[in-house]
Formats: sequence, C-alpha cells, structure tokens
Amino acid sequence: DAGVIQSPRHEVTEMGQEVTLRCKPISGHDYLFWYRQTMMRGLELLIYFNNNVPIDDSGMPEDRFSAKMPNASFSTLKIQPSEPRDSAVYFCASSRDRGRGYGYTFGSGTRLTVV
Amino acid sequence: GENVEQHPSTLSVQEGDSAVIKCTYSDSASNYFPWYKQELGKRPQLIIDIRSNVGEKKDQRIAVTLNKTAKHFSLHITETQPEDSAVYFCAPLMDSSYKLIFGSGTRLLVRP
Repeated sequence: DAGVIQSPRHEVTEMGQEVTLRCKPISGHDYLFWYRQTMMRGLELLIYFNNNVPIDDSGMPEDRFSAKMPNASFSTLKIQPSEPRDSAVYFCASSRDRGRGYGYTFGSGTRLTVV
Repeated sequence: GENVEQHPSTLSVQEGDSAVIKCTYSDSASNYFPWYKQELGKRPQLIIDIRSNVGEKKDQRIAVTLNKTAKHFSLHITETQPEDSAVYFCAPLMDSSYKLIFGSGTRLLVRP
C-alpha cells in the first residue's frame, strides 16, 4: 500500500498563475478530503468527496478554488488565479467506512508558495 | 457547527513525565474521537481513537478517555520520550456530517 500520494511536494508560483494540486487516494477508500494548513488558521477542511461526488464544499474559500474527482483514483484542487494568501500546505486525505475506527490517512502534502 | 477547543496550546514536560491534553467539543451528536500527531514538516497521523460507547482506550504509553456528559476527551501520554515531541490534534466527528473538525493543536515538547 503506497498510501495517499500527492504531487507536487513543493510548488512556487507567481501571483495570478494557475496552480493544480493532485492526489491519489488509497485504493478502496471511498472518501477523499482536501485540507489546508496554515499557522494562523490551523487545519481547515476545504471539500470532501464520497464515491467521487462532492459532498460538502463549504470550506472552499472562494470561487478561485475548485476541486474535481473524475474517478476513484484521482482528484485535483485548482486555484486560479493564485494569490499570496493562498500560501499554505495542502493535504489530501482518504478514508473508508466513514473514517470511524480507521481514521483518515493523509498524504505528505503540497507546500504552496505564491510570490 | 462543531466548536472544538484544545488545552493547553503548548506543553513542556521532562522526559519520563506524563502529559495530558484536553479537547472540548460542542456537538453532543459527536460519536467518534480521534487524536492525531503531526511531527514537524510531516503529515498528521492517527495515533489513537475512541468511540462514544467506550470510556477509555489504551495503547502502550498512550490512552484516551472520554466524558460524553461533559463533552470532552483527553489524550494521556505516560513515560514521555523526546520522540513524542510534536503537535497533537483532536478531531471529533459527528456521524451525520462526516467530517473531522480539527482542534487548534497542542505543541508538546519533551525535554531530555
């Protein structure tokens, strides 16, 4: 089991550019979550999917953020246009059985820096 | 929505001493209570969890206790070691909403 795989590990981009973060969940996990972590705001849930369908996107900060899950093995989080305040570590996590008793497995994260 | 508070925000203990971190939540419908550990520059990892029908669970040096009436649960680490130094997050889950809401974290420092 390779775990949850995120790419890239680090991304530095200029303000106004489009950024795409990628995630491959653990095979067999039917829930996928995108979190953002900053010193000021901690770990914030942005959006989660169940069986590839977005269930709750109330944490998505604004229209510049969008997420997709075209199939059970791949999800993307896109920011367009990016702004310096989007700088953070973005984690993807997956789980099965609603996470109860198994918890979430997090990927290694993508550290995004917008200059 | 769920309101989650952790105390203390930072904790410094001598190696070998015990550490206790408390998490208070607001939603009485919460029924699953995990603790995550995040080392510097790493991902959060589940270290122990408890369900609402159990009052205490232990795994070697770590334990979690739950008080549903008072709506709080605690992480207990005994015989602390330097490798226990990390940020610890509680994340109670309400079954119907199915999303972990993470507390603000407790930074634990174990002094050798």
